[in-house]
Amino acid sequence: NAGVTQTPKFQVLKTGQSMTLQCAQDMNHEYMSWYRQDPGMGLRLIHYSVGAGITDQGEVPNGYNVSRSTTEDFPLRLLSAAPSQTSVYFCASSILGSHEQYFGPGTRLTVT
Amino acid sequence: QQQVKQSPQSLIVQKGGISIINCAYENTAFDYFPWYQQFPGKGPALLIAIRPDVSEKKEGRFTISFNKSAKQFSLHIMDSQPGDSATYFCAASLKRARNFGNEKLTFGTGTRLTIIP
Repeated sequence: NAGVTQTPKFQVLKTGQSMTLQCAQDMNHEYMSWYRQDPGMGLRLIHYSVGAGITDQGEVPNGYNVSRSTTEDFPLRLLSAAPSQTSVYFCASSILGSHEQYFGPGTRLTVT
Repeated sequence: QQQVKQSPQSLIVQKGGISIINCAYENTAFDYFPWYQQFPGKGPALLIAIRPDVSEKKEGRFTISFNKSAKQFSLHIMDSQPGDSATYFCAASLKRARNFGNEKLTFGTGTRLTIIP
């Protein structure tokens, strides 16, 4: 059981570039979510999904897109990277109806 | 608008002492309050959680105290150890309709705890 995996671990982008952060889980969890972590701001919810084909916006969705074609995968797309998107991104998953979220190891993104 | 306020931002405690981290919330519809622990370079992991129908929950050296009327809850770490040095996040969530549970979390800003020998 690998749990929640994220790739890449580190990424540097130039302003305007696009990229996809990958997230996968092997626990058959229905609920998946993306957070960004910034100093002094805690973790803020970007997008979440309650199952394949169902996604919704969180607290800070602007500049990010998601899709959920399978239960296992929940990629986060940056459409046109901006320096304000420099952050550490965490993917998490849980059983629908459960209170415990399992977090991945994070992706540190720098936009120059 | 920050719905969950956490203090202090950083905390230094001597080994064997009691570490106390406080959180306050605004939304009275929150009904699940977890604490997550995060070590450097890792993702957060659930430490302990409480629902508002009890005033205290204890798991080993970790205790959550909950004050519903004051809309506050706190984490107490007894006999603090160097291995407890980490960032701690409080969080809160609403119970959604139908079968959905408390998945959508609102986090506090975090407390960096350092336990010194």
